[in-house]
Amino acid sequence: DADVTQTPRNRITKTGKRIMLECSQTKGHDRMYWYRQDPGLGLRLIYYSFDVKDINKGEISDGYSVSRQAQAKFSLSLESAIPNQTALYFCATSDPGTEVWGYTFGSGTRLTVV
Amino acid sequence: DAKTTQPPSMDCAEGRAANLPCNHSTISGNEYVYWYRQIHSQGPQYIIHGLKNNETNEMASLIITEDRKSSTLILPHATLRDTAVYYCIVRDQTGANNLFFGTGTRLTVIP
Repeated sequence: DADVTQTPRNRITKTGKRIMLECSQTKGHDRMYWYRQDPGLGLRLIYYSFDVKDINKGEISDGYSVSRQAQAKFSLSLESAIPNQTALYFCATSDPGTEVWGYTFGSGTRLTVV
Repeated sequence: DAKTTQPPSMDCAEGRAANLPCNHSTISGNEYVYWYRQIHSQGPQYIIHGLKNNETNEMASLIITEDRKSSTLILPHATLRDTAVYYCIVRDQTGANNLFFGTGTRLTVIP
């Protein structure tokens, strides 16, 4: 099983619909992140959480919300999806307690808003 | 966090060394240089990181200039599976502990 699992892998939704992307991890990491990637561009940070009680906005949080249900789960919601939210979404985890502050990414959720 | 500048694309012959440059002229003393790569829309994968000294692991080598204003990622014997977008990231150890990705370098390994 993957260390960081994202569901669904692909989703097509209509404008105005509410949609939730889910992320779960088995790494035991406290820190979790949601990024979005548009074609030909790098990843941009949407929200991040350093522990269950901590939620922080990233550089492009407008139109998104998150929920950290447990250490292992971090969900991203689009309350009212719009076409320019069509993108590839990645969840990631990290553990600052380790010497190598590497991030572990999920396989991504490809979201299309029509 | 300091910004980085990378060439948008590079080609490398299979079996040859791939040298990917990165400029980070505004790097501060406590910032590390990280390299990640992303293979065809998969999640980015950590490669290597360093502060001052050159580093080597099973995937690559990282050469950091003495003034730390630039670095080079070296894949010693590039294979077709190394075709990917490579991101050079400079990150502060304080604060939000986030990684800021630019557009990276698209490396194409040619048979």
